[in-house]
Amino acid sequence: AQTVTQSQPEMSVQEAETVTLSCTYDTSESNYYLFWYKQPPSRQMILVIRQEAYKQQNATENRFSVNFQKAAKSFSLKISDSQLGDTAMYFCAFSPFGNEKLTFGTGTRLTIIP
Amino acid sequence: DADVTQTPRNRITKTGKRIMLECSQTKGHDRMYWYRQDPGLGLRLIYYSFDVKDINKGEISDGYSVSRQAQAKFSLSLESAIPNQTALYFCATSDFLASRGAFFGQGTRLTVV
Repeated sequence: AQTVTQSQPEMSVQEAETVTLSCTYDTSESNYYLFWYKQPPSRQMILVIRQEAYKQQNATENRFSVNFQKAAKSFSLKISDSQLGDTAMYFCAFSPFGNEKLTFGTGTRLTIIP
Repeated sequence: DADVTQTPRNRITKTGKRIMLECSQTKGHDRMYWYRQDPGLGLRLIYYSFDVKDINKGEISDGYSVSRQAQAKFSLSLESAIPNQTALYFCATSDFLASRGAFFGQGTRLTVV
């Protein structure tokens, strides 16, 4: 069974600063996908970024990037130039290749301070 | 219109009542899922279905049942609701590759009193 750990229940940062959210996971799988989801107060789950484990290059989506360390089983999310709209709950999630079930971490509540 | 639609959005029900949460999707995906979100616990998988004839239990299926009425419809039932089933419930879909992740409905806030 896979587990996903987010060790930071809450974080806050000033607007325009950079913040990094941590995620570690445990699996015996060699091929898998990793995701970061954002849940704003509207409660909608929004996919922020995804990473295929077989790709060494870290994924980037505009202001969002990841630091994927496969050997360490670490998958952190970096948000650059943070904006008020980034205030949300962020969930890290894992999905083995060929098995589409997602395993989620417990989430990090991020607050961007004006 | 939303690709994954859940009804109702919010519901308050009494202990012991039967309640059904419905989900429909227009994404054409075969895979559908029901997750439950509780504060401090993240999202946990209740049931999932990879096609109309396939139903599988997730990690917390006790007290729940599901029905896949069509490729686009997947409903979750609480046969006899209890207060600790108070939670936010999400329906999600994915294609067979799953590399794009799952697509979620807007959630159903269920309160059992």
